[in-house]
Amino acid sequence: GNSVTQMEGPVTLSEEAFLTINCTYTATGYPSLFWYVQYPGEGLQLLLKATKADDKGSNKGFEATYRKETTSFHLEKGSVQVSDSAVYFCALSSNSGGSNYKLTFGKGTLLTVNP
Amino acid sequence: DAGITQSPRYKITETGRQVTLMCHQTWSHSYMFWYRQDLGHGLRLIYYSAAADITDKGEVPDGYVVSRSKTENFPLTLESATRSQTSVYFCASSALGEQYFGPGTRLTVT
Repeated sequence: GNSVTQMEGPVTLSEEAFLTINCTYTATGYPSLFWYVQYPGEGLQLLLKATKADDKGSNKGFEATYRKETTSFHLEKGSVQVSDSAVYFCALSSNSGGSNYKLTFGKGTLLTVNP
Repeated sequence: DAGITQSPRYKITETGRQVTLMCHQTWSHSYMFWYRQDLGHGLRLIYYSAAADITDKGEVPDGYVVSRSKTENFPLTLESATRSQTSVYFCASSALGEQYFGPGTRLTVT
């Protein structure tokens, strides 16, 4: 079955530090990959996505590249801000079996950015 | 309001009671989903629906019931609440593979 593994948190960084949150996946077919962000007390919001190998998703200074050879979709940001403090979820949507609207989520990584 | 809404936002109930969580979306998305979020487990899919009158089980459906008589509504019912169902519940709808989440309902079962 499909699965997503992301690095355990929590991650604590100082403002302007470089961020990497690792995400690897196992899936059948050709999945689409997503990063969602959850700010305190809110629902999840789509941060970025990539739908095929070598695609790079980007938004708000965050980037992730779909690496089929390493089955990875690591999230990066060059300079984090206090406002980036949130929980980040990696997810995949598999196209096999006609269930391509179902997402499989990783367990989430809590990021805290200190001023 | 446009988007996806959930009600109530907070609910405290007693063991054995029936409780219904509401979800409403204004986009006419075909797919809708219910998740629960618990520490250490991330988000787990309870039920989903591909269209009105079409529902299917997710990863953790036991103790829950859903219905979808209208495209825009997807209520989740706990028929006899248990303490293990204390959680934050999120509803989502989907278009083109992207899911859009509601603000969540924090449910406490005492």
